[in-house]
Amino acid sequence: GENVEQHPSTLSVQEGDSAVIKCTYSDSASNYFPWYKQELGKGPQLIIDIRSNVGEKKDQRIAVTLNKTAKHFSLHITETQPEDSAVYFCAAANDYKLSFGAGTTVTVRA
Amino acid sequence: EPEVTQTPSHQVTQMGQEVILRCVPISNHLYFYWYRQILGQKVEFLVSFYNNEISEKSEIFDDQFSVERPDGSNFTLKIRSTKLEDSAMYFCASSETGYGNTIYFGEGSWLTVV
Repeated sequence: GENVEQHPSTLSVQEGDSAVIKCTYSDSASNYFPWYKQELGKGPQLIIDIRSNVGEKKDQRIAVTLNKTAKHFSLHITETQPEDSAVYFCAAANDYKLSFGAGTTVTVRA
Repeated sequence: EPEVTQTPSHQVTQMGQEVILRCVPISNHLYFYWYRQILGQKVEFLVSFYNNEISEKSEIFDDQFSVERPDGSNFTLKIRSTKLEDSAMYFCASSETGYGNTIYFGEGSWLTVV
């Protein structure tokens, strides 16, 4: 089955700086890669997703890149704000089910 | 914005008891899912459901688990005889179509088995 690895497990950034989270996946058939943000006690909230026919996607301060050859994808958050502090999960799918990474706890220092 | 709703938000149950977790998926969605997250671990896929039948299930989803869509709006997960290791946050999710479509998650039901 699919195995998704996510790094780093924790990330502390100064407000205004950028944050980058990287994921790798094992199944070359995977073609859908969403990113979720999870705040304490809440469910995962989709923040951006990318499909395998696209190499990069941007939505305001958030961007995702995908390298299918290397089987890795990354989340970039620019101009971080305190409300960006949360756990971020990457995931990969080639059918109905998502395989999640272990999560990155992002802390934005004011 | 439409959302997936789950009840209860938290349930404490005794080992061996049956538990039913309820979900109302987004109204025009056709695919439904249950995932779980044991404290400090990855979110794990349990089961997907389409057209009133299971379309895929993981090895976690053994005979103790079942899913049902009893009416046009609810989607339930039943655990027949709970074990301590079933303690986890259970997330319901739904998507408009299946393959590669955006999956939206509910807020979760936190199950504690004592």
